[in-house]
Amino acid sequence: DVKVTQSSRYLVKRTGEKVFLECVQDMDHENMFWYRQDPGLGLRLIYFSYDVKMKEKGDIPEGYSVSREKKERFSLILESASTNQTSMYLCASSFRRNNSPLHFGNGTRLTVT
Amino acid sequence: QKEVEQDPGPLSVPEGAIVSLNCTYSNSAFQYFMWYRQYSRKGPELLMYTYSSGNKEDGRFTAQVDKSSKYISLFIRDSQPSDSATYLCAMIPGTGTASKLTFGTGTRLQVTL
Repeated sequence: DVKVTQSSRYLVKRTGEKVFLECVQDMDHENMFWYRQDPGLGLRLIYFSYDVKMKEKGDIPEGYSVSREKKERFSLILESASTNQTSMYLCASSFRRNNSPLHFGNGTRLTVT
Repeated sequence: QKEVEQDPGPLSVPEGAIVSLNCTYSNSAFQYFMWYRQYSRKGPELLMYTYSSGNKEDGRFTAQVDKSSKYISLFIRDSQPSDSATYLCAMIPGTGTASKLTFGTGTRLQVTL
């Protein structure tokens, strides 16, 4: 079974803090993704990566950055957390081939106060 | 108008009922269709994956795609309380990569004893 592990289930941070969300997958997937999920808005893609050190902006990249130094690990960074970044953050991975389905982690519930 | 529309529910049914969950979409380029199940405080898990039109069955679950109507359905037979979750439809264009995956906002299903 594919395992996508997110390091924290719940995080509480203060406005202005730098926040790191970590994700590790064990299936040798080339693609990795960060989404946020909000009620009524569904899942929105923040950033994705199709290879080590490669990254592409998704639909809502503003206020976020990412890092992929190793194939199995993909980090999401909130440079200066704001209250509107309070959300559920979901990491996912997939094979590179087109139309390969995504496999998700269990999410990190981030609250910014 | 959203590319993918999904009734948020909640949909409440008695145990043993047949459940029908649906999504409509506007982009005729979508060729690959998925259903994800998301339990409370968990990440989405892939339930069904289909290509183009037609039906696919897996145990109590049947996925149906009608491309002429731009309409997809997930049927659950003999529903169980353990089926209580949010169901997300998702789709990718024929030439698209996983980064082009578009999700519905999810339908919350409650199966009661």
